[in-house]
Amino acid sequence: GQNIDQPTEMTATEGAIVQINCTYQTSGFNGLFWYQQHAGEAPTFLSYNVLDGLEEKGRFSSFLSRSKGYSYLLLKELQMKDSASYLCAFPDSNYQLIWGAGTKLIIKP
Amino acid sequence: IAGITQAPTSQILAAGRRMTLRCTQDMRHNAMYWYRQDLGLGLRLIHYSNTAGTTGKGEVPDGYSVSRANTDDFPLTLASAVPSQTSVYFCASSDGDYGELFFGEGSRLTVL
Repeated sequence: GQNIDQPTEMTATEGAIVQINCTYQTSGFNGLFWYQQHAGEAPTFLSYNVLDGLEEKGRFSSFLSRSKGYSYLLLKELQMKDSASYLCAFPDSNYQLIWGAGTKLIIKP
Repeated sequence: IAGITQAPTSQILAAGRRMTLRCTQDMRHNAMYWYRQDLGLGLRLIHYSNTAGTTGKGEVPDGYSVSRANTDDFPLTLASAVPSQTSVYFCASSDGDYGELFFGEGSRLTVL
């Protein structure tokens, strides 16, 4: 079967680093996406990993381990504007995305 | 550049009424999607279209229909709304099978 799992909520402090994990199960892997969604807004694309390893994009980095069915999103130098939900997703065999329920990240001053 | 436009942004609807949510994109993307988002659940795919003239069923298609007469427009119709269809609906588009999804701002629908 296919499923995807991520923590429901996390809290971190402004200026700190936080890691949001995502585990998945699929028979055919075609990459893993991360999206950011601020409350009341639409999701916006953050990253797409196909190969193992860490990809850095400014303050945000995304890591993938295909053998472990595991990915994480690393956010550095947290800012209050990073308070949002972070959604991971992978394409199924019909190229349609299977979405996690999202991790709500709360940033405290 | 508008990207994807959805209408209405918010609507309260009596059960049993017919409702069409509109979605228009100006990016000439081939693929378009309709999702619903409910608290505690991930985005769930209702219907999709890989190219103009074709549509497919997603994870939760019952009670919904779509059409794709041209590249730009992808309306979602609720033939006879029920309270369980109360949700936030997002239209999205992408260019290619593993392309980034671009989302509209969402339509908040309440069925009473």
